Amino acid sequence: QKEVEQDPGPLSVPEGAIVSLNCTYSNSAFQYFMWYRQYSRKGPELLMYTYSSGNKEDGRFTAQVDKSSKYISLFIRDSQPSDSATYLCAMRMFSGGYNKLIFGAGTRLAVHP
Amino acid sequence: GAVVSQHPSRVICKSGTSVKIECRSLDFQATTMFWYRQFPKQSLMLMATSNEGSKATYEQGVEKDKFLINHASLTLSTLTVTSAHPEDSSFYICSASGLRGEQFFGPGTRLTVL
Repeated sequence: QKEVEQDPGPLSVPEGAIVSLNCTYSNSAFQYFMWYRQYSRKGPELLMYTYSSGNKEDGRFTAQVDKSSKYISLFIRDSQPSDSATYLCAMRMFSGGYNKLIFGAGTRLAVHP
Repeated sequence: GAVVSQHPSRVICKSGTSVKIECRSLDFQATTMFWYRQFPKQSLMLMATSNEGSKATYEQGVEKDKFLINHASLTLSTLTVTSAHPEDSSFYICSASGLRGEQFFGPGTRLTVL
């Protein structure tokens, strides 16, 4: 079993839809959770950074963490074609003296006009 | 925001040659930098972690003699792929660690070995 599970998609939605992206994890040592957006042939861009269980909102994006269920989500409201990208969840753990990130497989999202 | 650059963005080389990739944190000092490799439609695979002024820590299965990492300053880390072969062709991405442990990524370097 992978430490972080994420459905690779692809996920195709019409413009204006609410998008829900999810990851589950098995390691209770994960304490910090991030969502990155990666456009084709580009480096990942940090979207959201969360620690506590609950919701964190930033513009059209809401990150949700449920530590008891080991489940995190990213919601995108009023999705736009420019949101078409791969979304990677990442979880931070301290290992070997460093804070490392463990990534999900990434979900490919396509928002069509 | 935190900006990380990489150079070159793309490189094509012949088999057997060595290629150096630079990673710079432009507006902050990064004690720790990371090097990842990404194959098409796959997630990022951590290759090594580098701390300024010390030897890099390599992940299991990554050959340290083939992928040389130098972290000479708080803003620069380099990855040298030595004696490159076609199977080394990939997308190499570096990241620099922020104060909260989040990572800021460079734009990546696409390496093609002929």
